[in-house]
Amino acid sequence: DTEVTQTPKHLVMGMTNKKSLKCEQHMGHRAMYWYKQKAKKPPELMFVYSYEKLSINESVPSRFSPECPNSSLLNLHLHALQPEDSALYLCASSQVIIGQGYTGELFFGEGSRLTVL
Amino acid sequence: AQSVTQLDSHVSVSEGTPVLLRCNYSSSYSPSLFWYVQHPNKGLQLLLKYTSAATLVKGINGFEAEFKKSETSFHLTKPSAHMSDAAEYFCSAADRGSTLGRLYFGRGTQLTVWP
Repeated sequence: DTEVTQTPKHLVMGMTNKKSLKCEQHMGHRAMYWYKQKAKKPPELMFVYSYEKLSINESVPSRFSPECPNSSLLNLHLHALQPEDSALYLCASSQVIIGQGYTGELFFGEGSRLTVL
Repeated sequence: AQSVTQLDSHVSVSEGTPVLLRCNYSSSYSPSLFWYVQHPNKGLQLLLKYTSAATLVKGINGFEAEFKKSETSFHLTKPSAHMSDAAEYFCSAADRGSTLGRLYFGRGTQLTVWP
């Protein structure tokens, strides 16, 4: 059982649609992540939030817009996506220890499977 | 920055035989190292982690890994494979105490277990 919850599990959208992926964790972690994973490939980092502030954007196209409303929630807003954006989108969280930095251990959700038609 | 190399893209074993999944890392810093497992259409689950304590690390489901600094390796082993072990396995590394929160993944190793 995962302690990082992602919704929806599956999403099909057209290229003109606007949709959002949601992620929630209640472990008190102050770092949250979005990863994109294509079939048979490792996850690719998209965004990192630390203490609700965006700390890493891996040059992700602006059609992906992250949002961290509070320390437990992470959203990924999707607009005008392309078929090549179809993938498994994984949310993760990790601890950040004051004075020591990130622990490196990530807790992943089960992902949202996105299909863009 | 870290670099992680998983030496085998695919490993096949018979049920009940040992499993060895190989991982090498490359870094000028002391890394934290992790093995994750991913079953089909699921997220990644942490199997075990090395963060500078004991070099032999025991994880869940009977897996263990040994950190060998001289060989820059962190190979994953299990004495006896089970059908439920069939999955994708990712080795990953992070700079210990990193302020960036970046995790570096290997390409993955697909483990097949034959009955």
